[in-house]
Amino acid sequence: DAAVTQKPRYLIKMKGQEAEMKCIPEKGHTAVFWYQQKQSKELKFLIYFQNQQPLDQIDMVKERFSAVCPSSSLCSLGIRTCEAEDSALYLCSSSLRGADAEQFFGPGTRLTVL
Amino acid sequence: GDSVTQTEGLVTLTEGLPVMLNCTYQSTYSPFLFWYVQHLNEAPKLLLKSFTDNKRPEHQGFHATLHKSSSSFHLQKSSAQLSDSALYYCALSSYGNEKITFGAGTKLTIKP
Repeated sequence: DAAVTQKPRYLIKMKGQEAEMKCIPEKGHTAVFWYQQKQSKELKFLIYFQNQQPLDQIDMVKERFSAVCPSSSLCSLGIRTCEAEDSALYLCSSSLRGADAEQFFGPGTRLTVL
Repeated sequence: GDSVTQTEGLVTLTEGLPVMLNCTYQSTYSPFLFWYVQHLNEAPKLLLKSFTDNKRPEHQGFHATLHKSSSSFHLQKSSAQLSDSALYYCALSSYGNEKITFGAGTKLTIKP
């Protein structure tokens, strides 16, 4: 079975603090995605990497987040200054290249901003 | 650009009744459609995906048919089970735009 790893599983930050979460994609997968999910609802796309290069991201990520994949086996998503509205489950997924490729999701990092 | 529409946010059914969850899409290029399922406190995982040769994909009793004429990929099951209660996401990617686009999701609740 595919295994995408995310750490930490739970993260608690005060408003204004910095947060960082990590994702280890499935070995051999070249595409990595980050999503934000609030209260088990819509999967909100954040950013997409292909071969460690960011190919697409939403404005919120450009403005307040930092996301990198320094190697093919590690990606990270950071929030420079946490706000209450950032409280959510952050899901990382990876896939092989190709439009018909299945995405494999990690268990997520649940961020709570107090 | 690509988009996916799931019209029902919440669907509640009695066990044993048929299930149909709607999904329509817009795509500039030749599309691939997927259904992902997310059970409570779990990560989403692939349920089924469309084939290029128009075969009907099936998994765990669910099936879906890609209709390019109506831009639809509705999810169906003949008889709902309690264990089918979950969030279901329709998703789209295409040659020329490999970033997958998810619909808003449909929460399916099956009652005894």
